[in-house]
This record gives sequence, structure tokens and C-alpha cells, in this order.
Amino acid sequence: AQSVTQLGSHVSVSEGALVLLRCNYSSSVPPYLFWYVQYPNQGLQLLLKYTSAATLVKGINGFEAEFKKSETSFHLTKPSAHMSDAAEYFCAVRTLSGGYQKVTFGTGTKLQVIP
Amino acid sequence: DTGVSQDPRHKITKRGQNVTFRCDPISEHNRLYWYRQTLGQGPEFLTYFQNEAQLEKSRLLSDRFSAERPKGSFSTLEIQRTEQGDSAMYLCATGDTTFGDEQFFGPGTRLTVL
Repeated sequence: AQSVTQLGSHVSVSEGALVLLRCNYSSSVPPYLFWYVQYPNQGLQLLLKYTSAATLVKGINGFEAEFKKSETSFHLTKPSAHMSDAAEYFCAVRTLSGGYQKVTFGTGTKLQVIP
Repeated sequence: DTGVSQDPRHKITKRGQNVTFRCDPISEHNRLYWYRQTLGQGPEFLTYFQNEAQLEKSRLLSDRFSAERPKGSFSTLEIQRTEQGDSAMYLCATGDTTFGDEQFFGPGTRLTVL
């Protein structure tokens, strides 16, 4: 079964510093991987997705993630944090069940940006 | 606004009462998902519709939960005889083969069971 593990439930960075949110996946087949962002009291918004094309994926708001098969990782990065990046971030993997797709989410990482 | 909408946004109820939530998908999206999200956790899959057919239900979806999508458009999720453990955010997401794997999420309904 496919799954993802997010390391660190809370991450704090200073404004302007590098953001690194970690995600490791487990999959017996080539995975489709996603990063979503959730602002307080809102639904999830897709940041970026990996679908077996380029290993470096660029998303919205300056975020990017690199798929590393050897490390089974899909870490999310942003060179310079903004205050508006404070939110909860979820890594997710597409799973196939009964011939259709569904998405399995990690437990999330809350990003705090310190002025 | 052409995004996924959910109603109500917040619901407070007493234990034992029935509640019903509604999800209106993005127009023409044929896939619809319900998720439950508890504090400190990621969303957990509850059920999936393709058009009006409910194709999958999670083991999390006890007999007290029922979901419908009668005309393949909006969907309802009903919880009967609510329990305090049902307190959570209930998220709806929709998608379409045109957009591949992407799911578009609504803002959620936060349920509090007293």
C-alpha cells in the first residue's frame, strides 16, 4: 500500500530563510505525489504534483519539490519564506483501489514564519 | 465563485442528533470525494462517487454515515446519532478526468458534537 510520512509536525523559520518540509513515501509502484497547503479554516489547495515526468517540480507561490527515488523522498522547498507562507502543508500520494484513484495524506507539517 | 462549496461551514449539535452536510462540486466534475480531518491529522478518505455511483467506502464510514449524490451533481453526507468522536472537519473534493489526478477541495464543514 502506498503511504507518506512527514517528518516534523511543526517547523519554524525566519522570514527570508529557506523553507524545507520533509516527506518520504512508500510505494510498490511508481508514485504520483502531491503537496497541498491548508490555511486556517479553509480547504486544501494544490501546491504541486509529481507524475513521473521531471523530477524537479515547480509549483505555485515559489515552492518546488524534488523527487528522489533513491531516497524515497519528495521534500518541499522554498528559497525565501514569506509571512504569508504560514500554513499547514500536507504531502500526499495517489493510491489505486478498486480501479480508481484516491489520495492518501500525511499527517501534515505546520509552518511558522517568524518576522 | 466557481469553486467547490460546502454548507454549512460550521455545525454544532448535541450528541445523538442527526446532521447533514452538502457539497456542491465544480460544474461538470464527475468525481466527488468526502474526507474527514481531525485536529493534527491529514484528511482521511471516507467515500468516493463517480457521477451518481458510490464506488468506494472507507472502513471509517460506519453504518451511521451515509452519503448520496442523486443526480451526479451535489452530494450530501449524513451522520445519524452523532457521537463526540464525530467532531471533525468534513472536506469535500471534486475532480474530473480532464484534470488528471488533481482534486479541488471545498472549505469544509466543521462539526462539533457536544
